[in-house]
Amino acid sequence: GENVEQHPSTLSVQEGDSAVIKCTYSDSASNYFPWYKQELGKRPQLIIDIRSNVGEKKDQRIAVTLNKTAKHFSLHITETQPEDSAVYFCAASGRNTDKLIFGTGTRLQVFP
Amino acid sequence: DAGVIQSPRHEVTEMGQEVTLRCKPISGHNSLFWYRQTMMRGLELLIYFNNNVPIDDSGMPEDRFSAKMPNASFSTLKIQPSEPRDSAVYFCASRKPGLAANIRDFGPGTRLTVL
Repeated sequence: GENVEQHPSTLSVQEGDSAVIKCTYSDSASNYFPWYKQELGKRPQLIIDIRSNVGEKKDQRIAVTLNKTAKHFSLHITETQPEDSAVYFCAASGRNTDKLIFGTGTRLQVFP
Repeated sequence: DAGVIQSPRHEVTEMGQEVTLRCKPISGHNSLFWYRQTMMRGLELLIYFNNNVPIDDSGMPEDRFSAKMPNASFSTLKIQPSEPRDSAVYFCASRKPGLAANIRDFGPGTRLTVL
């Protein structure tokens, strides 16, 4: 089945700097790659997603890139703000798009 | 829209007791997912339903866990008997129909503590 690895597990940046979180997946048939943000004590919320027919997608300060050949995708946050502090999860759909497999999460801390 | 509704939000019980978690998906969504989140194992898919039918329960850890979806607006996850290692946050999520509709809306979760 699908396996998703996420790095780093923790990331600390200064406000205004960029943050990059990377994920790799194992199943070449995966075609959907969402990113979720989870604040402390809250539910995971979708922040951006990308499908396998697209290489990059942007939404204001966040962007996701996908390299299907290498089977990895990344989340980029520019001009980070303290409210970006949270745990971020990547996920991949695997062959069965019903079964999202999540990465282990990255705890991002943005210091003012 | 009220979003996905889960109850209770917090549950503290003693080992051996039965626990029932409840979920009401978003109206019009036809897929429902139960996830468990722990520090050690992250977010794990336990079971999911399409149109009220259980499709894959391979993530259910043991026979002590069971889930039902009697209608489109209600699902339960039951643990009997509960054990301390079942302590986790249990999330329910729903998804609207359609081939491009991969987005899952998560509920607020139920924090379960088994003493």
